[in-house]
Amino acid sequence: AQKITQTQPGMFVQEKEAVTLDCTYDTSDPSYGLFWYKQPSSGEMIFLIYQGSYDQQNATEGRYSLNFQKARKSANLVISASQLGDSAMYFCAMREGKGNYGGSQGNLIFGKGTKLSVKP
Amino acid sequence: DAGVTQSPTHLIKTRGQQVTLRCSPKSGHDTVSWYQQALGQGPQFIFQYYEEEERQRGNFPDRFSGHQFPNYSSELNVNALLLGDSALYLCASSLLVGGITDTQYFGPGTRLTVL
Repeated sequence: AQKITQTQPGMFVQEKEAVTLDCTYDTSDPSYGLFWYKQPSSGEMIFLIYQGSYDQQNATEGRYSLNFQKARKSANLVISASQLGDSAMYFCAMREGKGNYGGSQGNLIFGKGTKLSVKP
Repeated sequence: DAGVTQSPTHLIKTRGQQVTLRCSPKSGHDTVSWYQQALGQGPQFIFQYYEEEERQRGNFPDRFSGHQFPNYSSELNVNALLLGDSALYLCASSLLVGGITDTQYFGPGTRLTVL
């Protein structure tokens, strides 16, 4: 089973509008972290935002916010006031814990990504 | 503050050859992870190094090996290259705090083409 599912292969948004990129995850670990990365055509993965499984508040970083719905196992990325430079691939990723033993796994598990295109 | 750097940027090899990719972590980071990203896919975890030892490994064959140096930089070696090894190889650095891998920051990647 997919651990990270991004159901939108591609999305279009008008410049200055808001857009939501979907991400659902699957884990039985009570401790985990969720990340969003942006990958422009140049290839570098740029960290955008992080949400911990025990965080009470939804994470925000500038124009990025994470709509974390734990019961639904979803962690959608919201980009407000889209800019032309936001056109890129966006990846949702999860870092699992180690169950009751504390610590975390070292690896990130990525979804297949969503290609966002911002139209002028 | 220097970010994660990788070399070379691009590489072309033929089947059966061996390749070495290099990574320097972000200043202050002690952990390096390597990922393989095939075209149109998300990155897949290869392995992670901490204190010069392999801390965790993904589902990759033994042809993939690595090393971490005392200055925290790292190398990824791939032997007996196959056409399917063609991909973008990403290095990520982070801090290991209390057994938890903190946010991973990625380098620009090395694009490997195997002919």
